[in-house]
Amino acid sequence: AQSVTQLGSHVSVSEGALVLLRCNYSSSVPPYLFWYVQYPNQGLQLLLKYTTGATLVKGINGFEAEFKKSETSFHLTKPSAHMSDAAEYFCAVSDPFNAGNNRKLIWGLGTSLAVNP
Amino acid sequence: DARVTQTPRHKVTEMGQEVTMRCQPILGHNTVFWYRQTMMQGLELLAYFRNRAPLDDSGMPKDRFSAEMPDATLATLKIQPSEPRDSAVYFCASGLPTSGGQTSYNEQFFGPGTRLTVL
Repeated sequence: AQSVTQLGSHVSVSEGALVLLRCNYSSSVPPYLFWYVQYPNQGLQLLLKYTTGATLVKGINGFEAEFKKSETSFHLTKPSAHMSDAAEYFCAVSDPFNAGNNRKLIWGLGTSLAVNP
Repeated sequence: DARVTQTPRHKVTEMGQEVTMRCQPILGHNTVFWYRQTMMQGLELLAYFRNRAPLDDSGMPKDRFSAEMPDATLATLKIQPSEPRDSAVYFCASGLPTSGGQTSYNEQFFGPGTRLTVL
């Protein structure tokens, strides 16, 4: 069964510093990959996704992620953190070849990002 | 600005009472998901529908939970009777199958959630 691991349930960075949130998945085939962000007291919203094509994908708010098949990873980065980036970040995958499940997402447990002034 | 709406946003109830949560998916979306979020378990998929038909409710405790889509504009999640362990934030998300190059996937759009507290 597919699984998603987000290393580090809490990450703290200084404003202006690099943000790196890690996501690894287990899958026998390259899945579709997603990062969602959840701001306090809100629902989740899509940051970016990888489905096919270029392995470096850019999302909203200056975030990007790179799909590395050899490492089964999809880490999320942002060159310079802003106070408004403080939120919970979720990595999710779906199996494109499982006809019964290709519309479900398998979710990581989330990483809480704190940005210090 | 199309959004998923959920009502109520907050609900406090006593153990044993019935709770009904409602969701209005984005117009035109044919897939609806119900999730539960807790600190301990994270985000759990309870059930999902496509074209109003339930496709998977394996994540839902069937003895007390039920999910329905009376029409394309309304999805409901009901708990009867409620228990303190049901306290959580319940999210509804809607989506449309989107081509991913090989097969489709659902980009899910989340509502703001219903925060349920069962005393």
